Amino acid sequence: EAQVTQNPRYLITVTGKKLTVTCSQNMNHEYMSWYRQDPGLGLRQIYYSMNVEVTDKGDVPEGYKVSRKEKRNFPLILESPSPNQTSLYFCASSLDSMNTEAFFGQGTRLTVV
Amino acid sequence: QQQVKQSPQSLIVQKGGISIINCAYENTAFDYFPWYQQFPGKGPALLIAIRPDVSEKKEGRFTISFNKSAKQFSLHIMDSQPGDSATYFCAGVTWDDKIIFGKGTRLHILP
Repeated sequence: EAQVTQNPRYLITVTGKKLTVTCSQNMNHEYMSWYRQDPGLGLRQIYYSMNVEVTDKGDVPEGYKVSRKEKRNFPLILESPSPNQTSLYFCASSLDSMNTEAFFGQGTRLTVV
Repeated sequence: QQQVKQSPQSLIVQKGGISIINCAYENTAFDYFPWYQQFPGKGPALLIAIRPDVSEKKEGRFTISFNKSAKQFSLHIMDSQPGDSATYFCAGVTWDDKIIFGKGTRLHILP
């Protein structure tokens, strides 16, 4: 079954404690991206990756890092989380940036206290 | 600044009616316009998309109308059904592969 898997689904952490949200896809997609969703603001792109070792900033990259060492994985790293990063995060993959056959993960609800 | 303005924020439509959601953009760097549907507790799902060289695209009950000169595009849902109740997002994809979303429209179809 084609899917994008994010872990964890829910996370509560404290300010400053480094965390990683993993994302994995099984469709051999080249394009992967991370979004955050906040009430009243909709979805905003954090980072995206066109292929292995190729990443670029989206609309709101501050405070986040990503890596793409393998095609299937695209982890999101918060080196020093702050309360304003409390949000619902989605990972997505697609054949290309045009979101051909785009798949989203189920989301990770992060709370930073 | 790259922006996609979406309206209305929320919409209530009777079953069988036409739901219309509008989006407008300012930046000409966009060259692809997808629409997403999101149900509560789920990730968004790609619904339908259009390129600016096409004025209309139809897939089943869903139609995108695109007006390049006005920099506007809209989603029409014909014969709206209660199962269409969801949040809808329009988006623009730039030439350098960034995606900018509208803020979403919460659609409720009355049974």
